[in-house]
Amino acid sequence: AQKVTQAQTEISVVEKEDVTLDCVYETRDTTYYLFWYKQPPSGELVFLIRRNSFDEQNEISGRYSWNFQKSTSSFNFTITASQVVDSAVYFCALIISNTGKLIFGQGTTLQVKP
Amino acid sequence: GAGVSQSPSNKVTEKGKDVELRCDPISGHTALYWYRQSLGQGLEFLIYFQGNSAPDKSGLPSDRFSAERTGGSVSTLTIQRTQQEDSAVYLCASSGGAKNIQYFGAGTRLSVL
Repeated sequence: AQKVTQAQTEISVVEKEDVTLDCVYETRDTTYYLFWYKQPPSGELVFLIRRNSFDEQNEISGRYSWNFQKSTSSFNFTITASQVVDSAVYFCALIISNTGKLIFGQGTTLQVKP
Repeated sequence: GAGVSQSPSNKVTEKGKDVELRCDPISGHTALYWYRQSLGQGLEFLIYFQGNSAPDKSGLPSDRFSAERTGGSVSTLTIQRTQQEDSAVYLCASSGGAKNIQYFGAGTRLSVL
């Protein structure tokens, strides 16, 4: 069975702190895709990143970076120098090749205080 | 349109009534998905349309739920004889192209009284 676990339910940091959101996934398939989405208070899920199972390169986009490690089945997300606007619920998700459906973790609520 | 559009944004109904939720995908996207977000269950897949293929209905929770996609574009999710446990935010997404990235609408918040 496929599963995504985000063990951190809520995280609270002070602005400018770095924060890492953990994501662990389970699948027996060799071809799969991992995603992170952000859900701000407005409710709309915003796509952040997609990574396929054959590409373990870490990625950096501005203050955001992602660490994909197949050996530990993890796809962690780090926000550097957090800002109040980063406050949101963040979801990690998995798609098994050709199934189309996203399997979501339970989400991590990030609160960044000024 | 520029993004996925869902209507209505909020729907309040009485237990036992039928409701219809609408989704307009991003123009040109061939795949359309429905998900449900509730406090107890998180984000759950409901149904997936891909082009002219038969939809994947494996996530529909009961036979009270159905969905159709007309002309390969607009989709309607119908819930018959609504129950209080159907209260949730219903999210629609669409995708197109090889990267399979799903873009979401703002959702419809359904409250069953």
